[in-house]
Amino acid sequence: DIQMTQSPSTLSASVGDRVTITCRASQSIRSWLAWYQQKAGEPPNLLIYQASALQSGVPSRFSGTGSGTEFTLTISSLQPDDFGTYYCQHYSTFPLSFGGGTKVEIK
Amino acid sequence: EVELVESGGSLVQPGQSLRLACTASGFNFADYGMTWVRQAPGKGLEWVGFVRSRLYGGTIEYAASVKGRFSISRDDSVGIAFVQMNYLETEDTAVYYCGRGLTVSGAKYYFDRWGQGTLVTVSS
Repeated sequence: DIQMTQSPSTLSASVGDRVTITCRASQSIRSWLAWYQQKAGEPPNLLIYQASALQSGVPSRFSGTGSGTEFTLTISSLQPDDFGTYYCQHYSTFPLSFGGGTKVEIK
Repeated sequence: EVELVESGGSLVQPGQSLRLACTASGFNFADYGMTWVRQAPGKGLEWVGFVRSRLYGGTIEYAASVKGRFSISRDDSVGIAFVQMNYLETEDTAVYYCGRGLTVSGAKYYFDRWGQGTLVTVSS
């Protein structure tokens, strides 16, 4: 089974900062990676799929890069609405799995 | 408008059973794979299982933690996905979400829409 590891587990940043979250897979998943944002009490919200494709309606300040085992989610200019927990998820093969999450706090 | 609504969550005792439903509207349910994901209180997301659309065989995948205890099914005539949960354990306590799967090739799925979730509490 493929394990997904995210770092950092929490981060605190100011509005306007560039924020980067890293996700590593235990083996190559090519580009079969999605990123989700989740706010407390709400379901996950798809941001990025296939490692770098922006989901419709998602602001362009979100971007994803990477392939193989190393991936990053970048928020180019952090906005107040970007607080929440971010998860990566591979869909290379079953069983699927999520990273442990990165909690983003606004300073 | 695409909508997914989970139902059926409740408080049950260990060893008991429960069936959750995910009612879909606003899209052609039969064309999509559907997944279940859960989130224990204060914890991260855990994938539970997935059912393919009939076009791709309607086959089902499970996480190891629920295989043999949970059974996923779908009724395309009414647009509902189910998860039958047997031999429930305290570790199954979580909010359960259903999600709609998107695929290009029928082999890789990511999930673009989710319901609001239903809470299952397993406790004596």
